[in-house]
Amino acid sequence: DAKTTQPPSMDCAEGRAANLPCNHSTISGNEYVYWYRQIHSQGPQYIIHGLKNNETNEMASLIITEDRKSSTLILPHATLRDTAVYYCIVRATFGNEKLTFGTGTRLTIIP
Amino acid sequence: DTGVSQDPRHKITKRGQNVTFRCDPISEHNRLYWYRQTLGQGPEFLTYFQNEAQLEKSRLLSDRFSAERPKGSFSTLEIQRTEQGDSAMYLCASSRDRVGNEKLFFGSGTQLSVL
Repeated sequence: DAKTTQPPSMDCAEGRAANLPCNHSTISGNEYVYWYRQIHSQGPQYIIHGLKNNETNEMASLIITEDRKSSTLILPHATLRDTAVYYCIVRATFGNEKLTFGTGTRLTIIP
Repeated sequence: DTGVSQDPRHKITKRGQNVTFRCDPISEHNRLYWYRQTLGQGPEFLTYFQNEAQLEKSRLLSDRFSAERPKGSFSTLEIQRTEQGDSAMYLCASSRDRVGNEKLFFGSGTQLSVL
């Protein structure tokens, strides 16, 4: 799987939009971008994924650049419960199904 | 859907002892994964099953580690002759068996401390 690069930590004020960047410059055409998060003492939780179009669900929005070399996860109105480590993962569509995690971004929501 | 269940949540053992962890996946999920996570790092893949077949093992899975999924439902991960370096969170995840893009659902993990 292609590698991803994320800032190690970020802060965001409660109620503001949290924008988490991810670089994946070596992504292949058949690879999706996935985002998971891990709240302290819990297992990772799926957030969203996409191929090349922007995606939105009840948790977040995913913006993927046209060249697919980077993406941004947006939490529109961050709450204290969004404090977690956020992982950006590139995953092949077929074959090897496992997720390969990096070290992620530790997002802290500040009251 | 009761989620992925792992037991025990915490395990403290002495070096040299054997330990076994259990994972109950979401029912009807054919794929089951084991990961290990140390402090400050992301989860690292150990192995995965499709039904009862173990299809891939990481090089992290030394000879002291063995995983089974005998009836394609729950799985066990055993560590023999534990070492202090085995101290970590052991995570289990499951997913449906479809082509591509199936989400992995993770349990809360078993925290192992080897003294």
